[in-house]
Amino acid sequence: ETGVTQSPTHLIKTRGQQVTLRCSSQSGHNTVSWYQQALGQGPQFIFQYYREEENGRGNFPPRFSGLQFPNYSSELNVNALELDDSALYLCASSLETGFQETQYFGPGTRLLVL
Amino acid sequence: DAKTTQPNSMESNEEEPVHLPCNHSTISGTDYIHWYRQLPSQGPEYVIHGLTSNVNNRMASLAIAEDRKSSTLILHRATLRDAAVYYCILRGTGTASKLTFGTGTRLQVTL
Repeated sequence: ETGVTQSPTHLIKTRGQQVTLRCSSQSGHNTVSWYQQALGQGPQFIFQYYREEENGRGNFPPRFSGLQFPNYSSELNVNALELDDSALYLCASSLETGFQETQYFGPGTRLLVL
Repeated sequence: DAKTTQPNSMESNEEEPVHLPCNHSTISGTDYIHWYRQLPSQGPEYVIHGLTSNVNNRMASLAIAEDRKSSTLILHRATLRDAAVYYCILRGTGTASKLTFGTGTRLQVTL
């Protein structure tokens, strides 16, 4: 059984650019959640996708957007990058959404915005 | 979401038990208590969860106070591999099963 994988592992961008981060969910999981983790802080929920539809969103602006594909892999897109977007971006998959499902996290993509 | 309070850091000797406390005085009746941990340079991983009764699994035990306003994660014999940030999280039954992380407790384990 393959775990959650994310690509790339590291990325450097400049302010104003756009970035796409990718996540492959664990086999059989139809729900993907994205989190942003700033240095020294706990992860913050960005949004969740369930069967290709957005299923909840945290306190992030619209320039953070996402997609989920029929194979349940997912992308996180961030437009008009700002310096404060520098963080570790984590993807987590789960078997279903809702009732206390365990979320399985990938190793993250570390984004640096200069 | 109800808030949790944890100590910023704790230390333990290897092979000894560790008790990691969490206060959640505003917990609602339908909130479950989850624990995740994040090892260095990794994403968080699930440890354990419970509602009212104490819970045990191969990784740890969860002791929940009778009034549910606090809980304790117990690692029975800490190893160096248990050095991580431990997060206590309350999860309700909303439509999006998000995890609301605080800053957690950084556990150091020494020989």
